[in-house]
Amino acid sequence: DAGVIQSPRHEVTEMGQEVTLRCKPISGHNSLFWYRQTMMRGLELLIYFNNNVPIDDSGMPEDRFSAKMPNASFSTLKIQPSEPRDSAVYFCASSYPPGDHEQYFGPGTRLTVT
Amino acid sequence: AQKVTQAQTEISVVEKEDVTLDCVYETRDTTYYLFWYKQPPSGELVFLIRRNSFDEQNEISGRYSWNFQKSTSSFNFTITASQVVDSAVYFCALSEGSGGGADGLTFGKGTHLIIQP
Repeated sequence: DAGVIQSPRHEVTEMGQEVTLRCKPISGHNSLFWYRQTMMRGLELLIYFNNNVPIDDSGMPEDRFSAKMPNASFSTLKIQPSEPRDSAVYFCASSYPPGDHEQYFGPGTRLTVT
Repeated sequence: AQKVTQAQTEISVVEKEDVTLDCVYETRDTTYYLFWYKQPPSGELVFLIRRNSFDEQNEISGRYSWNFQKSTSSFNFTITASQVVDSAVYFCALSEGSGGGADGLTFGKGTHLIIQP
């Protein structure tokens, strides 16, 4: 069974450009999470969804960040406009809470904003 | 508010030594879940273990063992007879509430473990 899929794996963009990160959760999982990892702040939760509904977006840094989950098999994290301080690795994770509760992580997207 | 503290930023040992990674957590919930993840140099996050707050039994999996003590709010991880392949950053994490995996994780800062041959 395929794990969490993220695309692109690497993204380099210029300041001010729009960036869209994509995630496909594990089939059957109904919770999806977006995390960001930086040297300064470590791993931090940005937003998560249960059954496609955003539950907690308190970790989203500012209005430049937005996330959607239009269906159970796809989610996007958008940054518009991007800034150099957004450079980080962005992870998507999914879980099936009634079952084993573990969150399974995708390989991450390394974003560099110049 | 929930918090996870991994006081050891970096640990370096020689292969075959035993090593313990410390994790201390803070939460006001009576129901919560604790996790350990491994992040090798390749960058992915690999799930190692989950414990819920009602299960204080220690667990052993091969060379890995975990000691959960609610009295000290600690969830420590021991690697016995360490190997070079164990070199990685290890994260302890906490999830509050009965939702378990349905709630976001709060991570510690991680411990960088270096196993020297």
